[in-house]
Amino acid sequence: QKEVEQNSGPLSVPEGAIASLNCTYSDRGSQSFFWYRQYSGKSPELIMFIYSNGDKEDGRFTAQLNKASQYVSLLIRDSQPSDSATYLCAVLGAGGTSYGKLTFGQGTILTVHP
Amino acid sequence: KAGVTQTPRYLIKTRGQQVTLSCSPISGHRSVSWYQQTPGQGLQFLFEYFSETQRNKGNFPGRFSGRQFSNSRSEMNVSTLELGDSALYLCASSLGGDSSTDTQYFGPGTRLTVL
Repeated sequence: QKEVEQNSGPLSVPEGAIASLNCTYSDRGSQSFFWYRQYSGKSPELIMFIYSNGDKEDGRFTAQLNKASQYVSLLIRDSQPSDSATYLCAVLGAGGTSYGKLTFGQGTILTVHP
Repeated sequence: KAGVTQTPRYLIKTRGQQVTLSCSPISGHRSVSWYQQTPGQGLQFLFEYFSETQRNKGNFPGRFSGRQFSNSRSEMNVSTLELGDSALYLCASSLGGDSSTDTQYFGPGTRLTVL
């Protein structure tokens, strides 16, 4: 079982729709969860981080965390063509062995078509 | 505030050579992490430095090494390059204080091609 798994893509949604990206993780001790967006040929850009169970909203983005189910998701409302990118789920573990180590999922390619 | 900078942005080397990549973190950030990104393996953690000390290391051979200077700038070195080392090398900086909530910001990366 991979440490961090994302829903297989690619995901295609029409402009204005809600895009739903999902991620599960295996380390129950994981503390922090991040969503990065990566455009082709560019480096990852931080979108959201979430530490506590529940929802966290920032503009059109909502991150949801359920530690009991070891599940984290990202919702993008009113999707725009400029949201088309690869979305990476990343998990930061707990304890000394986690220093600076983000474990990434394989990424989900999102395409928003006009 | 200026972001994370990496130099050079592109490198072409031949097998057997060595290479040094540089990373300057965001001002005030004391932790620098390095990652390798390839199409097949995705983003993989190489190592992390904080206050000139390596605190964590990923599963990479000893050919991959790094260091951090007193101004938090970091370098990574790859010796005896192999074709499989061709990748995008990313560094990320963070405050480094609380390991459970530290947020990393990535630089633009160095694209290494090994011929």
